[in-house]
Amino acid sequence: DADVTQTPRNRITKTGKRIMLECSQTKGHDRMYWYRQDPGLGLRLIYYSFDVKDINKGEISDGYSVSRQAQAKFSLSLESAIPNQTALYFCATSDMTAYGYTFGSGTRLTVV
Amino acid sequence: SQKIEQNSEALNIQEGKTATLTCNYTNYSPAYLQWYRQDPGRGPVFLLLIRENEKEKRKERLKVTFDTTLKQSLFHITASQPADSATYLCALTDNYGQNFVFGPGTRLSVLP
Repeated sequence: DADVTQTPRNRITKTGKRIMLECSQTKGHDRMYWYRQDPGLGLRLIYYSFDVKDINKGEISDGYSVSRQAQAKFSLSLESAIPNQTALYFCATSDMTAYGYTFGSGTRLTVV
Repeated sequence: SQKIEQNSEALNIQEGKTATLTCNYTNYSPAYLQWYRQDPGRGPVFLLLIRENEKEKRKERLKVTFDTTLKQSLFHITASQPADSATYLCALTDNYGQNFVFGPGTRLSVLP
């Protein structure tokens, strides 16, 4: 099993729909992150969480919300999807010593 | 605002040569600089981390340098192989891991 698992891998949804992307990890890390990746813009941080009771906004949190259900689970929601949220979404984890992130395989989201 | 630039969007080199990728940053005083490899449709994979008080780090055919005066990191792949073809991302973080910023990446192609 992968260290960081994202579901679904691909999703097409309609404008205005609510959608949830899920992430689970087996690394035992406290820190979890959600990024989106767009061509030419690189990875941009949406939300991050340093433990179950800690949630922080990243660079581009508008239009998104998150839930940290457990140390191992961190989900990202789009309450009302819009086409410019079409992107590749990555979940990542790290420990406290910043020895690199472990990324999931990504969710390719298309909003039509 | 913080900004990270990577020398070029794409770099082509001949197999066996040394590939050199550049990461420049402004308006940031990072504690750590990291390099990742990303293959198409996959999540980034952590390669190397270098701290602000380290000048150079090596791992097998990889070498990273970090010049905090020039605000620049160089990433070298010696004896490059076609399997090294991928996009390489640099990333900066502060001491607390709360300010993690990625560069846009350089797509490296190693030609046989």
